[in-house]
Amino acid sequence: AQSVTQLDSHVSVSEGTPVLLRCNYSSSYSPSLFWYVQHPNKGLQLLLKYTSAATLVKGINGFEAEFKKSETSFHLTKPSAHMSDAAEYFCVVSDYGRSQGNLIFGKGTKLSVKP
Amino acid sequence: EPEVTQTPSHQVTQMGQEVILRCVPISNHLYFYWYRQILGQKVEFLVSFYNNEISEKSEIFDDQFSVERPDGSNFTLKIRSTKLEDSAMYFCASSALINTDTQYFGPGTRLTVL
Repeated sequence: AQSVTQLDSHVSVSEGTPVLLRCNYSSSYSPSLFWYVQHPNKGLQLLLKYTSAATLVKGINGFEAEFKKSETSFHLTKPSAHMSDAAEYFCVVSDYGRSQGNLIFGKGTKLSVKP
Repeated sequence: EPEVTQTPSHQVTQMGQEVILRCVPISNHLYFYWYRQILGQKVEFLVSFYNNEISEKSEIFDDQFSVERPDGSNFTLKIRSTKLEDSAMYFCASSALINTDTQYFGPGTRLTVL
């Protein structure tokens, strides 16, 4: 069965330093992978999506993620954190080939950004 | 930019009461979804809906739940007799006919069952 593991429940960085949020997936099919962000009291916003084109995916707000099939990973990075990046981030997998787009969410990583 | 909207933002109800959560998906989208997030837990899939019928549902989506598209714009989730454990944030999402797995989420409705 498909699943997603976010290795860190909480990551804290200083403003201006790099961000790394880790995600590993398990899927029987060629997966579509996503990162969503949820700011406090807000909905889920799509950051970026991987669908077997380029392995390095660029998203909004300077975030990017690299699909590594050999490591079954899809880590999210950003070169320089901004205070507004503080939020919860969800790694998500969709086995579109099997289902009608049922998304499987990771548990989330809460990103704190210190001044 | 078009977005998914949900009403109400917060609903408080007594156990055993019926609630209807409302969503207006993005206008040209044809697939609709409900997810829920119990406090401190993962976001979980409930149901997907296409062409006026349920496409897929999870184990959570039992007979207490139903979905409906009563008109051309709204998509509703009804919980017939709420239980304490139904307290959660409920998210509606929609996707286009192409790239159905790219789903756009609404801001959510926080349901509190007392």
